[in-house]
Formats: sequence, structure tokens, C-alpha cells
Amino acid sequence: GENVEQHPSTLSVQEGDSAVIKCTYSDSASNYFPWYKQELGKRPQLIIDIRSNVGEKKDQRIAVTLNKTAKHFSLHITETQPEDSAVYFCAASMRNQAGTALIFGKGTTLSVSS
Amino acid sequence: NAGVTQTPKFQVLKTGQSMTLQCAQDMNHNSMYWYRQDPGMGLRLIYYSASEGTTDKGEVPNGYNVSRLNKREFSLRLESAAPSQTSVYFCASRGPINEQFFGPGTRLTVL
Repeated sequence: GENVEQHPSTLSVQEGDSAVIKCTYSDSASNYFPWYKQELGKRPQLIIDIRSNVGEKKDQRIAVTLNKTAKHFSLHITETQPEDSAVYFCAASMRNQAGTALIFGKGTTLSVSS
Repeated sequence: NAGVTQTPKFQVLKTGQSMTLQCAQDMNHNSMYWYRQDPGMGLRLIYYSASEGTTDKGEVPNGYNVSRLNKREFSLRLESAAPSQTSVYFCASRGPINEQFFGPGTRLTVL
């Protein structure tokens, strides 16, 4: 089955710096790669996603890149702000006869200090 | 439009007790999911349902059962709770372009 590795597990940056979180996946059939942000005590919220036919996607200060050959994808946050502090999860799609599901990485705790 | 709702929000059980976690969505989605979240372990898939009447095991199904009651509702049952099942449980549904929407979670403690 699918396996998703996420690094680093914790990341501390100064306000205004960039942050990069990396994930690798094992199933070459995966074709959907979302990123979720989870604030303390709240539900995960989708912040950006990318599909296998695209190499990069941007939305204001966040961007995601995908390298299908190497089976890895990354989240880039520029000009970080204190409100970016949260846990970030990557995920990769898994498909079998029963349907499609997401397998998540273990998460990265991002701390942005002002 | 409430999205994905879960009940209860909090629950404390004693070892061996049973309970059912309820989940409902009003977005007319076909696929629904149950995850558990433990510190440092991310979100692990317990069971999922691609459509009404079908269910399948995820990464950590042992100790759980599910029922897809209808298109809206997907319940998770613990027949005999164990302390290892202390966790936060999230239900989710999947939209038409694969995005998943999560419920607010149920915080379960098993003593």
C-alpha cells in the first residue's frame, strides 16, 4: 500500500523567512497530493493541492511542487507570518477496487516567531 | 450547509464499554472516511466507504466496525473499548475533485 514520509517533524523560522516541508510517497499510481493545515484543537483544512499532471501550483504565499519521477512533493511558504504557525500534513491518494482514499504523512509543526 | 458534522465532541469510556461515533455530511458526497489522530502519528485511516453500501479497511481497522447507513451518514463503532483507542477521531467526506472535508472531531478517552 501507499506510504508517505514527511520531513521535518518540527520547523522553526523567523517571521518573513521561507519554510519548506518535504514529502515522499511510495505508490507510483498516486495522482493527487493535498496539503492540510491544522491549528491547535481544530480540524485539518485543505490549503493547496496538486495533481500528477502538473509540476507546480501557487496560491499567494504558498506553493507546491511535484516531482513524479522521484516521487516527492514539497510545500513552500514565503514571507511567513505568526498566523502560519500550525501543524501541516501532506497526503497522497491511494486507489484500489474499494475506492480512493488519502494516506497522510505524520505532520510538521511549524513555528513562526516574530 | 453544515458540511461534515460529528457527535459527540467528547467522550470518556471505561475499558470494555462500547460506543458509536456518528458522522453526517450534507454535501451529497459519495465517499466518506474515518481517521484517528494521535500525537506524532498524523492522521491514520481506519475505514472508508466509497459509496452507500460499501466499506473497506484502512491502515488501522482492528477494534473498529463501521456502518454506511445511507449516503449522508457513516458511523464508527467500538465494540469493546481499550486504552489504546484513546485518540481524536475525524470523519471526512470527499468532493468531486478529490478534496476531503473534515468534521470537527471527537475526542475519546478510554480509562
